[in-house]
Amino acid sequence: DTEVTQTPKHLVMGMTNKKSLKCEQHMGHRAMYWYKQKAKKPPELMFVYSYEKLSINESVPSRFSPECPNSSLLNLHLHALQPEDSALYLCASSQVPLAGGNEQFFGPGTRLTVL
Amino acid sequence: GEDVEQSLFLSVREGDSSVINCTYTDSSSTYLYWYKQEPGAGLQLLTYIFSNMDMKQDQRLTVLLNKKDKHLSLRIADTQTGDSAIYFCAESSSGSARQLTFGSGTQLTVLP
Repeated sequence: DTEVTQTPKHLVMGMTNKKSLKCEQHMGHRAMYWYKQKAKKPPELMFVYSYEKLSINESVPSRFSPECPNSSLLNLHLHALQPEDSALYLCASSQVPLAGGNEQFFGPGTRLTVL
Repeated sequence: GEDVEQSLFLSVREGDSSVINCTYTDSSSTYLYWYKQEPGAGLQLLTYIFSNMDMKQDQRLTVLLNKKDKHLSLRIADTQTGDSAIYFCAESSSGSARQLTFGSGTQLTVLP
């Protein structure tokens, strides 16, 4: 299994809602990532988990809350989002978090719209 | 900080070769990657090259690396309409190997 899966594919939420994005991989990778991507732009790194511990938070607002319950799962909890948070949210994983050759495998993304 | 640059657009005729170029500034870059993103989809890793290599070939794809000029290119032979997508160049260095620095992406349009 060489796939990263993400659910849901699409999500529409109001600014007062609480929702969660989910990501799963079964490649035995020990690094997992959340990215935010606006249209026609490159992905922007949000969070990195290494061995299920948060290792990088790129100054992301607290309305985004990541969680890594185990080595295969990564969640992103959303609360009180703003319309400008509308974007494609990509999850990725890689085999070796602390060395070169950081081949990251990406999921298909969740298209989030905040009304 | 690191910077990766690409031209924004490229159009080619079906059957021709496409060459997508990328320049980077971080001299400690150890790995350079090419990702493909089709509309509404995630990023697909196409190929990568280690910085001590000059060239890597994989079927229709050829990656050339000029480390002196910090220039990377991706050549797609016999370009097909299914190759139409955004292509992102990315680099990682030994100092921050958990992070990828992406270029702005090149929109490749293949004309029939």
